[in-house]
Amino acid sequence: AQTVTQSQPEMSVQEAETVTLSCTYDTSESNYYLFWYKQPPSRQMILVIRQEAYKQQNATENRFSVNFQKAAKSFSLKISDSQLGDTAMYFCAFSNTQGGSEKLVFGKGTKLTVNP
Amino acid sequence: GAGVSQTPSNKVTEKGKYVELRCDPISGHTALYWYRQSLGQGPEFLIYFQGTGAADDSGLPNDRFFAVRPEGSVSTLKIQRTERGDSAVYLCASSLGTSGGTDTQYFGPGTRLTVL
Repeated sequence: AQTVTQSQPEMSVQEAETVTLSCTYDTSESNYYLFWYKQPPSRQMILVIRQEAYKQQNATENRFSVNFQKAAKSFSLKISDSQLGDTAMYFCAFSNTQGGSEKLVFGKGTKLTVNP
Repeated sequence: GAGVSQTPSNKVTEKGKYVELRCDPISGHTALYWYRQSLGQGPEFLIYFQGTGAADDSGLPNDRFFAVRPEGSVSTLKIQRTERGDSAVYLCASSLGTSGGTDTQYFGPGTRLTVL
């Protein structure tokens, strides 16, 4: 079974600074997908960034980028120029198409607080 | 366009009662997922629909949980004989459901179920 581990229950950062959230996963599959979702207090999960395992280049989306280390099964999220609106729970998630189901397996999350 | 909607946003019920939770996916999305998020945890997969059929129900915890999607759009999650341990936020997500890759899942705001 696939598992996703987020070892940082809580983190804080000053506005405009950079923060990195950690995620490791375990799978025997060779092709899969990794995601970071943001969940603000409104509860709505919002996709931040996704990475396909067969692509060696790290994904970037504006201020958000990932460090994908396939051999180490590590997938960290870097947030640059942190903004107050980045305050939220961040979940790392894994998916593959084994058996046709594209279900997401989530970690327990990291609570990020951006301080003014 | 409208996103994924879920009703009710909050539901309080008594132990032993029956509840129905509704999900309206994004128009044109053939894939629909239900997840359950307990306090302090990441979402856990319950069931996945491709069109009208349940393609993967491996996450349903027991036979008190059942879900339907009779016309391939709206889905209803049904919980019989509710228990206090069923208290959680129930999240619904939808995606395009194209084959050959993992489409982005778009989440609704969830239904917070409280069983007294």
